[in-house]
Amino acid sequence: SQKIEQNSEALNIQEGKTATLTCNYTNYSPAYLQWYRQDPGRGPVFLLLIRENEKEKRKERLKVTFDTTLKQSLFHITASQPADSATYLCAPGGSYIPTFGRGTSLIVHP
Amino acid sequence: SAVISQKPSRDICQRGTSLTIQCQVDSQVTMMFWYRQQPGQSLTLIATANQGSEATYESGFVIDKFPISRPNLTFSTLTVSNMSPEDSSIYLCSVSQGAPETQYFGPGTRLLVL
Repeated sequence: SQKIEQNSEALNIQEGKTATLTCNYTNYSPAYLQWYRQDPGRGPVFLLLIRENEKEKRKERLKVTFDTTLKQSLFHITASQPADSATYLCAPGGSYIPTFGRGTSLIVHP
Repeated sequence: SAVISQKPSRDICQRGTSLTIQCQVDSQVTMMFWYRQQPGQSLTLIATANQGSEATYESGFVIDKFPISRPNLTFSTLTVSNMSPEDSSIYLCSVSQGAPETQYFGPGTRLLVL
């Protein structure tokens, strides 16, 4: 069955450092992959989408990579800030039923 | 991108009662999705709602427990029936838009069942 894996343990980093979050998927060949931010008690907010033929995508301090050979996407936040603290979800796309990873909690310490 | 509102934003309910959650989108969409997210868990799809047809429910969810209405292309409701404390969760509606399709979510309804 299709499976999405994200680190269940929280990622703690110092302000100003680069945060790197990992999304691995199995039994999938997604045409694209999406990343979302979710704050406690709120709905996820779309951040970035990367297509299977794109190796890298950037938006301000965010960078996403997509390796279809490794079946992995990496999500980077450079110059991280305490306001970046949230849970980040990945969602492989291409089938009509959207499926989300469990998310990784990021905590940026001042 | 779609702008989605949900009502109520939160509620505290007694077991055995029912709650209807409303979802309004600022543009016409074909499919609307209802999710549940229990504390510390991932999003779980409850059902997909198409206008003019019965909702399609995922494994583990049934219409008697979670009846859904979809009267037009911008609105849907989800009812949580005969609630128990296990139904305490955040309920989210979402839509897909764009090419490729991206999910946009409402702010969620936080439900606590006592």
